[in-house]
Amino acid sequence: NAGVTQTPKFQVLKTGQSMTLQCAQDMNHEYMSWYRQDPGMGLRLIHYSVGAGITDQGEVPNGYNVSRSTTEDFPLRLLSAAPSQTSVYFCATRRKGRSPLHFGNGTRLTVT
Amino acid sequence: GESVGLHLPTLSVQEGDNSIINCAYSNSASDYFIWYKQESGKGPQFIIDIRSNMDKRQGQRVTVLLNKTVKHLSLQIAATQPGDSAVYFCAELNSGGGADGLTFGKGTHLIIQP
Repeated sequence: NAGVTQTPKFQVLKTGQSMTLQCAQDMNHEYMSWYRQDPGMGLRLIHYSVGAGITDQGEVPNGYNVSRSTTEDFPLRLLSAAPSQTSVYFCATRRKGRSPLHFGNGTRLTVT
Repeated sequence: GESVGLHLPTLSVQEGDNSIINCAYSNSASDYFIWYKQESGKGPQFIIDIRSNMDKRQGQRVTVLLNKTVKHLSLQIAATQPGDSAVYFCAELNSGGGADGLTFGKGTHLIIQP
């Protein structure tokens, strides 16, 4: 049981490049979400999904796209990377209702 | 602003002592609270949770206390060990908090002195 798996662990991009951060879960959780974590800012929600085929914006969605075609996968796409997107990105899942988020180990992204 | 905050950014304790990490929340509609531990270079790890119809919940070496009157949450770690060194943060869940209902505090860094 792997839980929440994120790939890659590290990535360096040049400004303007695009890429996809992968997230996969094997817990059959309905909810999946993407957060970014920056020093002094805490966790900020980018996008989330309450089930396959349903996505919605979080607090800081600009510059990112998501899709949820299956229960297991929730990729995050950076359309045109900017230095302001340098951050640590976490994917998380949880069951519906009052249940805790389970996080992956993150992708550390640097945009130069 | 932050609806979930912390009283101290850093807490230093002696190995073997008990640790108490505090968290204040401002939304009285929050009805579910979670504590996370985050070690350097890793994702946040779920420790313990509590619903608003409870005042106290115990786990293995950890206890969460909820005081709804003053909107205060605390995490107690018994007999602190070197492996407890990490950043601890709380989260609250309510239907009006954030797009998915969750609001996170920024964290307290727990340092264990030998």
